[in-house]
Parts: sequence; structure tokens; C-alpha cells
Amino acid sequence: LAKTTQPISMDSYEGQEVNITCSHNNIATNDYITWYQQFPSQGPRFIIQGYKTKVTNEVASLFIPADRKSSTLSLPRVSLSDTAVYYCLVGDPTLGRLYFGRGTQLTVWP
Amino acid sequence: DAGVTQSPTHLIKTRGQQVTLRCSPKSGHDTVSWYQQALGQGPQFIFQYYEEEERQRGNFPDRFSGHQFPNYSSELNVNALLLGDSALYLCASSLWGGHLNTEAFFGQGTRLTVV
Repeated sequence: LAKTTQPISMDSYEGQEVNITCSHNNIATNDYITWYQQFPSQGPRFIIQGYKTKVTNEVASLFIPADRKSSTLSLPRVSLSDTAVYYCLVGDPTLGRLYFGRGTQLTVWP
Repeated sequence: DAGVTQSPTHLIKTRGQQVTLRCSPKSGHDTVSWYQQALGQGPQFIFQYYEEEERQRGNFPDRFSGHQFPNYSSELNVNALLLGDSALYLCASSLWGGHLNTEAFFGQGTRLTVV
């Protein structure tokens, strides 16, 4: 099981781009990298998933270098409503079991 | 299209009691997983149900048991409650294996407080 390391907390201001980096040195060949967002007293919400290079959707981008030992979640032009905990997960998505760490608490200030 | 629904939203129980939490998965999903989230921690996997059978189990004692019904809904039962069982219990629904890039949809959770 690939262990992930991400910052405990980050601060940003509205309108800025936020990059959260996750380290996963022991990532396996079948593992994908998935990010979830969680607001207080709510269930986590899927943000983005990728295997290598770059993935972009309507809310975020995920950058994965060639060695796949780290990944960076990029949130463009954050707003106050992006204040949440962000989890980096590494694993085989076909197995259906998710391994969460402690996540990164992102706080966006006005 | 309803997402994942859990009931009740909040619950207070006494040590030693038993509790049953319920989950209805997102329409079209056939797999239900349960997670326990203690305050300040990430969710921890309890178990997963597919075709009414427990398919995977995390590191939780036998006091935690579950069930899946033919309509894919699920229950989580916890016996002999301990103070440490106080947590947010999350249900996640998905499609059974083999689906890359298939996201899991989580419910709002049930906040269980054991006193």
C-alpha cells in the first residue's frame, strides 16, 4: 500500500491559484492517484483522478511527473467556498477500497 | 437522480447499546462501502458489500457488521458500543470493480455520539 504525504494545512487568498503536492514514493504500477474534497460534516467528494502526465477537468488539474512519485493538485482562482480538506489517495481504483490519510486543510481568506 | 442517502443524520447512544445505520446508494450503483471518520482524521474503511455479501473488510472488530439488501441498500450495525465508536459514519456507493476512473459517491454521513 503506497503511503501518501501531504501538507497538513495551507492558506491562500481568493483569486489565487493553489497547488497541493502529495508524495507517494511507493506507488505501484496499477495505482491511480485520486483527490477528494471534504467540507465539515459532509462526505468526501471526488475531484479528479489520473495515472500519469496531466489531467484537467472543470474544477482542477492534476499534474503527475514521469516517475509518478508525487502529484500536484492545482485549483485555479480559489474562492472562499474552496475552504475544505483535500485528500490525496493512491491505489488501484478497481479494488473499490479507498485509503485516506489526514488530508490538507486548505483555508481561503478574503 | 438521488445521490447517496443516509439515515439518521445524527444519533446519540449509550455505551453498550447497539445501533443500526442505513444507506441507500446512488441510482445505478451496486456496491456499498462504509467508512468511519473520527474527528480530525480521514475516513477509515470498514467494509464493502456487493451482491449482498461482504467483499472486503478493514481492520474493525466483529462488533461491526453489515448487510446489503436486494435493492442494493445497506445497513451498518455496531454492537456493544464504546465511547471510541463516536464518529461520522460515511456510506459510499460505486460500481463493482473493473471500472477505472469510477468515482465513489459519499453520503452526508451519520454522526454517532456514544455517551
